Parts: sequence; structure tokens; C-alpha cells
Amino acid sequence: NAGVTQTPKFRVLKTGQSMTLLCAQDMNHEYMYWYRQDPGMGLRLIHYSVGEGTTAKGEVPDGYNVSRLKKQNFLLGLESAAPSQTSVYFCASRTFWANVLTFGAGSRLTVL
Amino acid sequence: DAKTTQPPSMDCAEGRAANLPCNHSTISGNEYVYWYRQIHSQGPQYIIHGLKNNETNEMASLIITEDRKSSTLILPHATLRDTAVYYCIVLSETSGSRLTFGEGTQLTVNP
Repeated sequence: NAGVTQTPKFRVLKTGQSMTLLCAQDMNHEYMYWYRQDPGMGLRLIHYSVGEGTTAKGEVPDGYNVSRLKKQNFLLGLESAAPSQTSVYFCASRTFWANVLTFGAGSRLTVL
Repeated sequence: DAKTTQPPSMDCAEGRAANLPCNHSTISGNEYVYWYRQIHSQGPQYIIHGLKNNETNEMASLIITEDRKSSTLILPHATLRDTAVYYCIVLSETSGSRLTFGEGTQLTVNP
């Protein structure tokens, strides 16, 4: 039982490049989340999803897009990366009936 | 969801109890108190949650005041591995889809 798996773990991009972060969970969780964490700061919610085919904006959604085509996967896309998007990205999931989040190990993104 | 207030940092001696406070004076009747922690560079980890009764599990104890306006997370015998940022979150079970974290408390356990 892998839990929440994020790929890639590390990535370096140039300004203007695009990329997609993949989050996969094998716990049949309904809700999935993407957070970013900048050095010395707390987690900030980017986007979240309450079920397959649905997404919603969080606290800092600008510059990101998401998709939840399959229940087990939640994709975070950067269409045109900017240095301000250099951060560690965490994915999390939970069931609809409990606020107990399971987090992935994080994806460290650097935009030059 | 109710707002929470936590001290930015605390220190604790190894082997002693660590008591982490959280104020949530605007908590409503159907909102639970959740605690998570984040060890450096790792994803946050769920610790414990409660509604109004005190709760205990293998990791920690949660003490909620009778008026539910504040709570304390207790690590009974802190170890160096408990050094982490601890987050207190207040949520209802039915409206917690948008789950946000505050700044938390940086707990440093000293040898």
C-alpha cells in the first residue's frame, strides 16, 4: 500500500517552460489537494478536488491548473513557469468523512 | 472554519512533556480540533483530533477546555525526533473540503 505518491521528486525548469506534477493515491480517497510550501513558511493551498472530474481553487491558484480525470490521480500543471513558483509542492488526499490527510513526500521544483 | 492562534516557537527538554497550546475562540459546536506536524522537509503527518472530550493515542494527548475555546497538544515524553512544526486546525466534518494550514508552532526538543 503506497499511500500518496508524487512524481517527479525534483525538477529544474527554465522560466516559461511548462510541466506537470502527478499525484497518485491508492486509498480510494475522494478528496485530493495540492499545497505549496516556500522556505520557512507554512503550507498554502493551491487547488483541491472533492471528486473525479471536479476541481476548486484554493488560496493561491494563479499560475496553476489542475485536473482530476481519474479518482486516483490529481495533476498540477504549470503552463509557463516563473521563478516565484520555486517551491516544494505537496499532494494530499483524504476520505470525504474525515479530515485526516495523507501527504506525499513532496516535489521540489526550482524555476531558473 | 474557525481561526486558530499558536505561538510561533517553543522549546522543550528531551524526556520532558511538551505542551503546545492553540487558541480557537470562534470555534462552533460542530467543529473538531485537528493536530498535524511536519518534520523538516517531509509531508505533514496527522497526529490526533477531538471534538470536546480529551483524546489520547500512541502519539499524543489532546486536552480541550470545557468552553472549547482552546486546546493543548501534549507529547508526554518528547524526543529529538519530535522536533517539528505543529499545526492546529479547526474544521467541521462536513465543510472541511477546503483544508488550509496556518503558520504552526516550531517545537525544538533540546538534548
